Amino acid sequence: GDSVTQMEGPVTLSEEAFLTINCTYTATGYPSLFWYVQYPGEGLQLLLKATKADDKGSNKGFEATYRKETTSFHLEKGSVQVSDSAVYFCALSDRGRGSTLGRLYFGRGTQLTVWP
Amino acid sequence: AAGVIQSPRHLIKEKRETATLKCYPIPRHDTVYWYQQGPGQDPQFLISFYEKMQSDKGSIPDRFSAQQFSDYHSELNMSSLELGDSALYFCASSILAQETQYFGPGTRLLVL
Repeated sequence: GDSVTQMEGPVTLSEEAFLTINCTYTATGYPSLFWYVQYPGEGLQLLLKATKADDKGSNKGFEATYRKETTSFHLEKGSVQVSDSAVYFCALSDRGRGSTLGRLYFGRGTQLTVWP
Repeated sequence: AAGVIQSPRHLIKEKRETATLKCYPIPRHDTVYWYQQGPGQDPQFLISFYEKMQSDKGSIPDRFSAQQFSDYHSELNMSSLELGDSALYFCASSILAQETQYFGPGTRLLVL
């Protein structure tokens, strides 16, 4: 079945450091891929997405490229800020493959803490 | 921009009690999804609805039921609550034509 494997945290960085959070997936076909962010005490916010191979999703300085050959969707940011401290979830949708509307399969989440 | 609204935000119940969680999707969204996130866990899909009809079902216990109403809001009914039901329950909404799901802030349920 579909699944997402995400690099375990926690990740602790200094402000302006480079961030990479690894995400790989297992799925039949070509699922849409997402990164969601969860700030303390809040819900999940969509950060970026990619719907086909070689697509690059980007938002707020974060980027991720859909790599079919390595089944990966790693999240990167060139210079993190304290305000980026949150939990980051990688997810895939099984719409049209395992379900009609598409259920999201999430990774375990990576806690990022950025120090000033 | 309007977001998904969930109520209540926090709920404390005793074992064997019942609970009802409500979700109000983003205006003009016709699809609703429910997820359960246990402590330190990733969110797990429970159930989804489109135009008041149940669409897909995940790992939802038989003690739970849900429905979507004519105004598109949804309710998750949970009976015979167990300690293990303590979790954050998310509702998400979308437009059928789009795959992106937009999440509400969640309802934190604590079963004592």
